Amino acid sequence: QKEVEQNSGPLSVPEGAIASLNCTYSDRGSQSFFWYRQYSGKSPELIMSIYSNGDKEDGRFTAQLNKASQYVSLLIRDSQPSDSATYLCAVNVDAGGTSYGKLTFGQGTILTVHP
Amino acid sequence: DTGVSQDPRHKITKRGQNVTFRCDPISEHNRLYWYRQTLGQGPEFLTYFQNEAQLEKSRLLSDRFSAERPKGSFSTLEIQRTEQGDSAMYLCATRTGVRGSTDTQYFGPGTRLTVL
Repeated sequence: QKEVEQNSGPLSVPEGAIASLNCTYSDRGSQSFFWYRQYSGKSPELIMSIYSNGDKEDGRFTAQLNKASQYVSLLIRDSQPSDSATYLCAVNVDAGGTSYGKLTFGQGTILTVHP
Repeated sequence: DTGVSQDPRHKITKRGQNVTFRCDPISEHNRLYWYRQTLGQGPEFLTYFQNEAQLEKSRLLSDRFSAERPKGSFSTLEIQRTEQGDSAMYLCATRTGVRGSTDTQYFGPGTRLTVL
């Protein structure tokens, strides 16, 4: 089992729809969770970070965390063609400070928003 | 622009040559990470520096790879005797180490390496 897994893509949604991206992780010591967006040929760009169970909203983006189920998701409301990118889920285990905060990434989900 | 810079942005080399990449972090960030990303995959951790000390290395970092951060500011990643399998995007990320601050990592633009 991979440490961080994302729902297989690619995901295609019409403009204005809600895009739902999912991620599961295997290490219960995980403490910090991140969603990065990556356009083709570019480096990852932080969209959201979440640390506690529940929802965190920032504009059109909502991150949801359920530590009991080891599940984190990202919802994009009112999807725009400019949201078309690869979305990377990243987890920082950092249990007891022994992993120095390195991120473990999922393989990414390609999202396409079509007009 | 996150404030993390990397140089060069692109590097094409022939198999067997040595290459060196540089990362300049955000000035107050004392923690620096190198990752490698191949096509269709998420970034994979290579190594971590806290100030000038290299505290963690991935098993992905073979003996052909070496990284330094001599004065706790910029960092270099060198690959000796490059192989075609080294072709990837090499990403540098930095974060602050201030107690109680966010652990968010900010990525540089990356160096894309192509080994012919």
